[in-house]
Amino acid sequence: QKEVEQDPGPLSVPEGAIVSLNCTYSNSAFQYFMWYRQYSRKGPELLMYTYSSGNKEDGRFTAQVDKSSKYISLFIRDSQPSDSATYLCASSGMDTDKLIFGTGTRLQVFP
Amino acid sequence: KAGVTQTPRYLIKTRGQQVTLSCSPISGHRSVSWYQQTPGQGLQFLFEYFSETQRNKGNFPGRFSGRQFSNSRSEMNVSTLELGDSALYLCASKSLASQETQYFGPGTRLLVL
Repeated sequence: QKEVEQDPGPLSVPEGAIVSLNCTYSNSAFQYFMWYRQYSRKGPELLMYTYSSGNKEDGRFTAQVDKSSKYISLFIRDSQPSDSATYLCASSGMDTDKLIFGTGTRLQVFP
Repeated sequence: KAGVTQTPRYLIKTRGQQVTLSCSPISGHRSVSWYQQTPGQGLQFLFEYFSETQRNKGNFPGRFSGRQFSNSRSEMNVSTLELGDSALYLCASKSLASQETQYFGPGTRLLVL
């Protein structure tokens, strides 16, 4: 079993839709949770970061972490074609830069 | 501020050869990590360096090695290349001031024939 599991998709939605992306993790030591966006042939770009449980909102993006169920979510409101990319969830423990990534979910937003 | 730079961007090698990839972190960043990305395995952690010291190593064979220089620039080396080493190799840097801001470079795409 992978430490971070993510549905690979692809997920195809119309412009303006609310997108929900999810991951589960198994390591109770994980304290930091990130979402990265990766466009084709580019490096991952940090979108959202959460420490421990809770919600964090940034513009159209909301990240949620539920440590009791080991569930990580990213919501995208009013999705745009420019949001079409692969979204990667990642987790890490304390005192390390080692990130454990999910396999990534490919999202396509069509006009 | 310039981002993380990686050279070369593309590389073609044959089995048995060795390769050295380079990473220049964002100015002021002292922590550098390396990852391998493949379609089958996704992003996997290779190494983590801080102040020229390897702090953590992923589950890769000894053919994969790395180092960090006093200016925080880092290199990774893969010896005796195998077909399965074909991947995108990503470098990330971060400032100690913030746990969250780990920035990735564009990667080096390695093809082993």
